[in-house]
Amino acid sequence: EAQVTQNPRYLITVTGKKLTVTCSQNMNHEYMSWYRQDPGLGLRQIYYSMNVEVTDKGDVPEGYKVSRKEKRNFPLILESPSPNQTSLYFCASSLLSGQGYTFGSGTRLTVV
Amino acid sequence: GESVGLHLPTLSVQEGDNSIINCAYSNSASDYFIWYKQESGKGPQFIIDIRSNMDKRQGQRVTVLLNKTVKHLSLQIAATQPGDSAVYFCAENYTGANSKLTFGKGITLSVRP
Repeated sequence: EAQVTQNPRYLITVTGKKLTVTCSQNMNHEYMSWYRQDPGLGLRQIYYSMNVEVTDKGDVPEGYKVSRKEKRNFPLILESPSPNQTSLYFCASSLLSGQGYTFGSGTRLTVV
Repeated sequence: GESVGLHLPTLSVQEGDNSIINCAYSNSASDYFIWYKQESGKGPQFIIDIRSNMDKRQGQRVTVLLNKTVKHLSLQIAATQPGDSAVYFCAENYTGANSKLTFGKGITLSVRP
């Protein structure tokens, strides 16, 4: 089944403790992206990647890192999480620029 | 956790009626538009898309209309069913950009039995 898989689905952590949210897609898509979703603010792009080793900032990149060492994987790294990063995170991928994304099921992160 | 549907406008329709969900987009250079549906606890799911060289596109029970003059997009759902209850987002993309989709804030569709 073609899908985007994120892990974990739920995570509670403490301020300052580094964490990684994994994302993998099995569709051979070139484009991958991370979004966060907050009530009243909608979906905002954090980082995106156009291909292996090519990444760039989205609208809200502060406090996040990403890497794209393989085409299928695009992990999101929070080096020192803070409470304002409590959010619902989505990974998404698309085959080509200008096409719609396929989204993962989301990761609900709580930073206390 | 807090629902993504909180703080959003709500459209309430009777089961079996047609629904029309409207969206105003922001970038006159956008040339690709998508409607997504998001059910509680799930990621956004693709419904239908349309490119700027069209003004109407039909799918199964859904129709998207694009009015570029006023930068307006609408989603029509025929014979609305309880399973259509969800948050609906429009998204726009300018294909000269990074493939970033810019999302609208969303509308909650509530179907009354």
